[in-house]
Amino acid sequence: EVQLVESGGGLVQPGGSLRLSCAASGFTFSSYEMNWVRQAPGKGLEWVSYISSSGSTIYYADSVKGRFTISRDNAKNSLYLQMNSLRAEDTAVYYCARATSAVDFDYWGQGTLVTVSS
Amino acid sequence: EIVLTQSPGTLSLSPGERATLSCRASQSVSSSYLAWYQQKPGQAPRLLIYGASSRATGIPDRFSGSGSGTDFTLTISRLEPEDFAVYYCQQRGTFGQGTKVEIK
Repeated sequence: EVQLVESGGGLVQPGGSLRLSCAASGFTFSSYEMNWVRQAPGKGLEWVSYISSSGSTIYYADSVKGRFTISRDNAKNSLYLQMNSLRAEDTAVYYCARATSAVDFDYWGQGTLVTVSS
Repeated sequence: EIVLTQSPGTLSLSPGERATLSCRASQSVSSSYLAWYQQKPGQAPRLLIYGASSRATGIPDRFSGSGSGTDFTLTISRLEPEDFAVYYCQQRGTFGQGTKVEIK
């Protein structure tokens, strides 16, 4: 059974940093592209970042470019999102999602809540 | 950048009725990359339709997708109580704003 479990969310002050993790199991993690998608409270879905299966290709949404860094450790079956210079508008539930070859998201984690507030 | 516009914002229907949800792209997109998701309160989204018209694993056949170019449609033939939720279309890194299907 495919499982994605996020962790690392919490309350952080504006300008602070946080590192999210996503532990994958039930599939060959190193063969799949992965993404982070977020959802602000009461709002819709927003794609945040993409990483290829090898980690060699990375994309970011303009809203987080230069502040967030996606990475992965295929030996540990884990995906990460390093978030720096956090702003109030980064407050959201952050989901990791497995991508198909067509960049659909076929499996999602349960999400981890990040709250940026003083 | 492609913008996906979903309509209506809210659809009020009764169980057993047919639901028709629209997703319009600001420019032509490949059908191969158009997907639909369902999200219930407090849950992660679930992939329903990929490639505009293919049902994901385990999705009941009352859900169907169609369309091409700039206009795509998700149809729920007969609404079941568990189908009342928010639905999103997606194309690569862009999501529509969602359509809420609520009980009338």
